[in-house]
Amino acid sequence: GESVGLHLPTLSVQEGDNSIINCAYSNSASDYFIWYKQESGKGPQFIIDIRSNMDKRQGQRVTVLLNKTVKHLSLQIAATQPGDSAVYFCAENNAGNMLTFGGGTRLMVKP
Amino acid sequence: GAVVSQHPSWVICKSGTSVKIECRSLDFQATTMFWYRQFPKQSLMLMATSNEGSKATYEQGVEKDKFLINHASLTLSTLTVTSAHPEDSSFYICSARRGLAVNNEQFFGPGTRLTVL
Repeated sequence: GESVGLHLPTLSVQEGDNSIINCAYSNSASDYFIWYKQESGKGPQFIIDIRSNMDKRQGQRVTVLLNKTVKHLSLQIAATQPGDSAVYFCAENNAGNMLTFGGGTRLMVKP
Repeated sequence: GAVVSQHPSWVICKSGTSVKIECRSLDFQATTMFWYRQFPKQSLMLMATSNEGSKATYEQGVEKDKFLINHASLTLSTLTVTSAHPEDSSFYICSARRGLAVNNEQFFGPGTRLTVL
């Protein structure tokens, strides 16, 4: 079946550095993508979204890039802070109008 | 902002008992709510889609008779885990979609940790 991001890797960065978290998706029919942040024991928190008619979208300290050619999504966090430490999930809104979550990436920020 | 609450935050129960988890949208009406399950170090897996006033739609492999969902109002959906067993121990998360557009943002609750002894 089609899926989004099958791994749960860990990214360790130094405080102040930029972070890049990647996600691969396989459903070419998906037209809406979201990045979520999940801290331990809490529900997912919306970070930023992007529709398939866009390649890039910027928020406060975060940027999402969408490459539909290779079905790749990335989240860039500028000047990473200790409070950014969490698990990050990408999710796609597919043809069934439901969210399918990727496997997640754990971001660890070293002070 | 849009706030979704869940109750209880955590629950411990004996094997064979039933547990009810509530999901409420506090400041908006949610025609559609979703129930997810998350095992440790894993991603969220959609269990079912709950539509107000109609029967829930369950994902493949999710037993509808074991996980009873009721969406009686535009602000409340409940998930009842019937005859719970240790393998049902998990983190249950609900989300609510504001408005009718299918691409509208889903707002997530804080989750309910269920431990079945």
